[in-house]
Amino acid sequence: QVQLVESGGGVVQPGGSLRLSCAASGFTFSGHGMHWVRQAPGKGLEWVAAIQNDERNKYYADSVKGRFTISRDNFKDTLFLEINSLRAADTGLYYCAKDETTFVTLPDYWGQGTLVTVSS
Amino acid sequence: SYVLTQPPSVSVAPGQTARITCGGNSVGSKSVHWYRQKPGQAPLLVIYYDTDRPSGIPERFSGSNSGNTATLTISRVEAGDEADYYCQVWDSSSDHVVFGGGTKLTVL
Repeated sequence: QVQLVESGGGVVQPGGSLRLSCAASGFTFSGHGMHWVRQAPGKGLEWVAAIQNDERNKYYADSVKGRFTISRDNFKDTLFLEINSLRAADTGLYYCAKDETTFVTLPDYWGQGTLVTVSS
Repeated sequence: SYVLTQPPSVSVAPGQTARITCGGNSVGSKSVHWYRQKPGQAPLLVIYYDTDRPSGIPERFSGSNSGNTATLTISRVEAGDEADYYCQVWDSSSDHVVFGGGTKLTVL
């Protein structure tokens, strides 16, 4: 069965950085695109970034472009999100999600999330 | 950028039918996917490509998509269906995944 386990969240000051990880198992990681989606406390889902299976293309929400970097290690079945210049508005639960295909149009399985809190 | 509009809330009595709409410009030309999120849980895909159900999702869940509105229909609503529901598309114009704002389904 598909398992996605996020880690790396925590409390960070404004302007700080974090590196989130997502360990994948139960499917052929290198055969699927991957996503990061976040949810601010009490709010809806906000797509953050996505990466094709072969890293050929990466996509970012306008709100994070230039500050966040998505990457993956297909040998270690792990997805990453490097987040810099953090702002209070970046606070939330960050979910890792697997795409149905090699591309990035349909996140079909989700992890339980890792919490990022930006506060001084 | 592309916008999907959902009603903030829908209420329905047990055993009745709930319909949750997702509006967007020519959304009928896109593939719409629906997720259910219960409190404290990750989102769960319940309908994909407008009308398909993942394995394990009851037949009570169905979807449609035409013109400017996609609809998630839940028949014979149960107390366990109470959750937030989100629609989602891929916007090829911006290369972005887009979510609707979510609809809270309350079972009276």
